[in-house]
Amino acid sequence: DSGVTQTPKHLITATGQRVTLRCSPRSGDLSVYWYQQSLDQGLQFLIQYYNGEERAKGNILERFSAQQFPDLHSELNLSSLELGDSALYFCASSVEAGDVYEQYFGPGTRLTVT
Amino acid sequence: GNSVTQMEGPVTLSEEAFLTINCTYTATGYPSLFWYVQYPGEGLQLLLKATKADDKGSNKGFEATYRKETTSFHLEKGSVQVSDSAVYFCALSDSFYGGSQGNLIFGKGTKLSVKP
Repeated sequence: DSGVTQTPKHLITATGQRVTLRCSPRSGDLSVYWYQQSLDQGLQFLIQYYNGEERAKGNILERFSAQQFPDLHSELNLSSLELGDSALYFCASSVEAGDVYEQYFGPGTRLTVT
Repeated sequence: GNSVTQMEGPVTLSEEAFLTINCTYTATGYPSLFWYVQYPGEGLQLLLKATKADDKGSNKGFEATYRKETTSFHLEKGSVQVSDSAVYFCALSDSFYGGSQGNLIFGKGTKLSVKP
């Protein structure tokens, strides 16, 4: 158990809909990262928040957005869903370990768009 | 841009066989390098890391050495077990001292199956 929690575990929804994925980082970790894992694209970094502020952006679509709240949990909002958005969405939190950030991943949310 | 290339799987080995999974990277500067493992139905777990040239990361019998001259970080284990069956991902992040925020770039993953 990494200490990072994600809800829900599974989500099935229809095209055009909007969903919210939730992540709670490990106790004390200020950074949250979101990744998407799909069969064709592999694992891709989407976005990072640090203590409530956006810090880095990757290959995140305009239809997707995220935020981090004062209690440090984060939500990833996916709207106007398409079949191609079906994927595993992971959240991670990180800790500085000397000269590197070590990331700890949650169990993921499997999104199926039908 | 930065990228990671790792050998395509799947890799099937017998128990106690020697394992090598190749990983090469393209990056500017001095990235940090990682191996993550994903067991079926679970999230990724950090297996080992190295942050500078010639560093060797090791954990649970797995090793990888950061080779700047060949831009490689190959994963090795001398004697695999059935319980090592999983998907292994090589990853990099920009240098900590270069202002990296730690976000990871992953290879496509290599599925390892170990037969008894």
